[in-house]
Amino acid sequence: GDSVTQMEGPVTLSEEAFLTINCTYTATGYPSLFWYVQYPGEGLQLLLKATKADDKGSNKGFEATYRKETTSFHLEKGSVQVSDSAVYFCALSGAGGTSYGKLTFGQGTILTVHP
Amino acid sequence: NAGVTQTPKFRVLKTGQSMTLLCAQDMNHEYMYWYRQDPGMGLRLIHYSVGEGTTAKGEVPDGYNVSRLKKQNFLLGLESAAPSQTSVYFCASSTPSSGRVHAYEQYFGPGTRLTVT
Repeated sequence: GDSVTQMEGPVTLSEEAFLTINCTYTATGYPSLFWYVQYPGEGLQLLLKATKADDKGSNKGFEATYRKETTSFHLEKGSVQVSDSAVYFCALSGAGGTSYGKLTFGQGTILTVHP
Repeated sequence: NAGVTQTPKFRVLKTGQSMTLLCAQDMNHEYMYWYRQDPGMGLRLIHYSVGEGTTAKGEVPDGYNVSRLKKQNFLLGLESAAPSQTSVYFCASSTPSSGRVHAYEQYFGPGTRLTVT
């Protein structure tokens, strides 16, 4: 079945540092890929998505590129802020109409940014 | 436009008690989902619904039942709670986007923190 593997955390950075959170996946066909973010005490929010190979999703300074050849969707940000402290989830939605948008999540990566 | 709401926000149950979690969405979405979030395991799908009157099992359905009598509501029931069901429960909704059929965006509620003692 489908699966998503994220780099283990937690990740602790200083403000303005470069961020990379690795994500790889296993799925048949061409899934859609997502990054969701969960701020303390809140539900998940969509951060960015990509729906086909070589697509780049971007939002709020975060970027991720759908790499079919390496089955990866790594999240990057050039300069993190304290307000980026949150839990980040990589997820995929399987190919085909019968997926009904069901998401398979990675285990989540806790990011803490210090001033 | 409230999006996805969940009630209650917190609940403590004793083993063997029952309860129902309510999820409501005001976006006219077709699809709704219940997930549980446990430390180090991400979110796992419990049950989902692709329309009013329909439900289907997800990855971890045992011990839970669901109902979707109205399009905007999706109920999750625990008939006999167990300590293993201590978790944070999230409801989400989505609808097919234009273009590729599986490029849905899911909208999540704020979660219900359930403790079973």
